[in-house]
Amino acid sequence: AQSVTQPDIHITVSEGASLELRCNYSYGATPYLFWYVQSPGQGLQLLLKYFSGDTLVQGIKGFEAEFKRSQSSFNLRKPSVHWSDAAEYFCAVGTIQGAQKLVFGQGTRLTINP
Amino acid sequence: EAGVAQSPRYKIIEKRQSVAFWCNPISGHATLYWYQQILGQGPKLLIQFQNNGVVDDSQLPKDRFSAERLKGVDSTLKIQPAKLEDSAVYLCASSRAGASGEQFFGPGTRLTVL
Repeated sequence: AQSVTQPDIHITVSEGASLELRCNYSYGATPYLFWYVQSPGQGLQLLLKYFSGDTLVQGIKGFEAEFKRSQSSFNLRKPSVHWSDAAEYFCAVGTIQGAQKLVFGQGTRLTINP
Repeated sequence: EAGVAQSPRYKIIEKRQSVAFWCNPISGHATLYWYQQILGQGPKLLIQFQNNGVVDDSQLPKDRFSAERLKGVDSTLKIQPAKLEDSAVYLCASSRAGASGEQFFGPGTRLTVL
């Protein structure tokens, strides 16, 4: 069965600093990988996804992620964070058989210092 | 296009009472999902519908939870009787059919069981 680990429960960075959120997955086949963001009181919004091809994927809001099969990782990065990036971030792995099914990690809460 | 609608947004009940949540997916989306998100955790899939048929309900506690999507459009999730551990945010999501369809999430219903 697939699983996702986000090692960092809470991260604090200063506004304008770079950001990397870690995600490790376990899945027997080629995974579909996703990063979602959840602001307080809101549903989840898709930031980016990896299905195949180029292992560096670009998303919305200036985010990018790199798929590394050898490390079973899909880390999320942003070169310069903004105060509005403060939120909860979830990594997810999806199956590719039939309808999509997602398994989420526990999330990383991002706090931005002014 | 209108997003996924959910109601109510908040609900407080006492244990052993019953409660129902409603979800209206994005028009034309064949697949509908209900997730449970306990505080501090990532969303966990409870049930997945394809049109009005159940694709996966393996993690639905069927002794107390039920869900239906009778006309293949909107859906209702019911809990009867509720337990303290059911306190969570219940998220509804929808997607077009197929494994690559992006899931769009509603704002969720926050349930508190006292």
